[in-house]
Amino acid sequence: DTEVTQTPKHLVMGMTNKKSLKCEQHMGHRAMYWYKQKAKKPPELMFVYSYEKLSINESVPSRFSPECPNSSLLNLHLHALQPEDSALYLCASSQEVTSNQPQHFGDGTRLSIL
Amino acid sequence: AQTVTQSQPEMSVQEAETVTLSCTYDTSESDYYLFWYKQPPSRQMILVIRQEAYKQQNATENRFSVNFQKAAKSFSLKISDSQLGDAAMYFCAYRRSKENSGGSNYKLTFGKGTLLTVNP
Repeated sequence: DTEVTQTPKHLVMGMTNKKSLKCEQHMGHRAMYWYKQKAKKPPELMFVYSYEKLSINESVPSRFSPECPNSSLLNLHLHALQPEDSALYLCASSQEVTSNQPQHFGDGTRLSIL
Repeated sequence: AQTVTQSQPEMSVQEAETVTLSCTYDTSESDYYLFWYKQPPSRQMILVIRQEAYKQQNATENRFSVNFQKAAKSFSLKISDSQLGDAAMYFCAYRRSKENSGGSNYKLTFGKGTLLTVNP
């Protein structure tokens, strides 16, 4: 069982739709991450949150909008996505951004853009 | 910048046999962390094993062990008594230590991965 829970598992949306991905952890971690992973490629970092504040944005297009409502929850709001945005979106958490402890990943959301 | 190289895009092993996945990395730092993550078709990235560069002793987790050669910048993963459930994509990853990075060691640098098939 994963300690980082992501919903939904799968999402199909049109380019004009607005949807959100959700990530939850109850390990008391204060750092949370969004990654994008294309098939047979390693994950690519998108955003880092530290103590509910956006710490890092890896030059991600504005059609992706992260939100951290509380220390356990991380959302990724999607709007006007492109077909090339189809990918697996992984959420991860760690004790702190500056911790040497490893990141724990969720199962991911498989996103398909029509 | 740090780079991680996994030279074997695909590997296969017979069930109950041993297989070694290779990983090399490039860094100018002396203190850092190395990880092997496993990603089965279920998609979750699972931490398999972790090595701290300042520790000379190779990390071991049950059937998984590493051969960490710091001078050669090599970090190979050995899987003993391979099981069908070991079939997955394996990623090697590097992370700077917080002491070296001024607190900005959030980034994992991944290799391109090795797809492991386990044959019954």
